[in-house]
Amino acid sequence: DIEMTQSPSSLSAFVGDRVTITCRPSESISRYLSWYQQKAGRAPKLLIYGASSLHSGVPSRFSGSASGTGFNLTISSLQSEDFATYYCQQTYRFPRTFGQGTKVEIK
Amino acid sequence: QVQLVQSGPEVKKPGASVKVSCKASGYTFTTSGISWVRQAPGQGLEWMGMINSYNHNAKYAQKLQGRVTLTIDTSTSTAYMELRSLSSDDTAVYYCARDFMGSGWYYFDYWGQGTLVIVSS
Repeated sequence: DIEMTQSPSSLSAFVGDRVTITCRPSESISRYLSWYQQKAGRAPKLLIYGASSLHSGVPSRFSGSASGTGFNLTISSLQSEDFATYYCQQTYRFPRTFGQGTKVEIK
Repeated sequence: QVQLVQSGPEVKKPGASVKVSCKASGYTFTTSGISWVRQAPGQGLEWMGMINSYNHNAKYAQKLQGRVTLTIDTSTSTAYMELRSLSSDDTAVYYCARDFMGSGWYYFDYWGQGTLVIVSS
């Protein structure tokens, strides 16, 4: 199975901060990488697919990129509604594995 | 608009089975697969399996192989997930998600609201 390692596991930030979350797959996945946001008690929501394509309706402060051996999710200016847990996922091969999640909290 | 509506919460005893449904609307059901994902309390997301809504072929997580079965009823645009031989480790919220292919990439663009399954004696 392809293992997805996210870092950090959690972070604290102020509203307005620029935040970056990293996801590293255990092997090459091309750009079959998606990012999801999950708020407590709610289903996950798709943010980014194909490593860098913004899903319809997602604010432009969210962006995805590929760099070196990993992938990044960046929130350019953190808003109060962005405090949540974020997951990466590979869809290159079955099983479609998720990262362990990154919890973004208010500082 | 695309919607996935799941069945209600379940409480089961250890050793029993549970079957969760996921009714799709707002798109042509046979053009996308349905994946199932579960989340134990306080834990992350775990992919369980995917079923192709067109040819009914399914892929399963090895960990659950032999205990889980995914099925489709195209006449009602409903997907089902059955999990057998339940233990307390299966207590979780179970989600269905549309497993969509767009612009050459696969992703889960719509999710059901989740179904809480509690396994307790």
